[in-house]
Amino acid sequence: EAQVTQNPRYLITVTGKKLTVTCSQNMNHEYMSWYRQDPGLGLRQIYYSMNVEVTDKGDVPEGYKVSRKEKRNFPLILESPSPNQTSLYFCASSPEVRGETQYFGPGTRLLVL
Amino acid sequence: AQSVTQPDIHITVSEGASLELRCNYSYGATPYLFWYVQSPGQGLQLLLKYFSGDTLVQGIKGFEAEFKRSQSSFNLRKPSVHWSDAAEYFCAVGARAAGNKLTFGGGTRVLVKP
Repeated sequence: EAQVTQNPRYLITVTGKKLTVTCSQNMNHEYMSWYRQDPGLGLRQIYYSMNVEVTDKGDVPEGYKVSRKEKRNFPLILESPSPNQTSLYFCASSPEVRGETQYFGPGTRLLVL
Repeated sequence: AQSVTQPDIHITVSEGASLELRCNYSYGATPYLFWYVQSPGQGLQLLLKYFSGDTLVQGIKGFEAEFKRSQSSFNLRKPSVHWSDAAEYFCAVGARAAGNKLTFGGGTRVLVKP
């Protein structure tokens, strides 16, 4: 089944403790992206990647890192999480880098205490 | 920079009644436009999209949307709402340039009364 998977789905952590949220897609998509969803703000892009080893900042990249060593995986890294990073995170992928429909993962709910 | 406004934060509609959700966008050229739905505790599901051509777009679950360039709008409609349509709906505009960023509106939460 074609899908985008994220792990973990739920995570509670404490300020400053490094964490990684994994994202994987099995559709051989070029493009992958991370968004965070906050009430009333919709989804905002954190980082995106147009291909392996090619990443760039979105609208809200502060406090986050990403890597794209393989086409299928696009992990989101929080080196030193803070409470303002408590949010719902979505990974997405699409076949091409220009305007194609994006397919979303199920989301990861993160609480930083 | 692109932006999307969904003026209605909440809408309550009776089951069987019609539904219209408003979306206004700002973008320098012809945009890609999307409507996504998010059911409680779920991810985002694509309802429909507009890239070019016919300005009335049909989607899944009986939804349709109309692109009106003159009004910079892409409103979503459904003639008869079912209880399972209770969800949050997001309008998004996509960039035609490289980067493929989706800019989302703040969402409209739909409640369906029996």
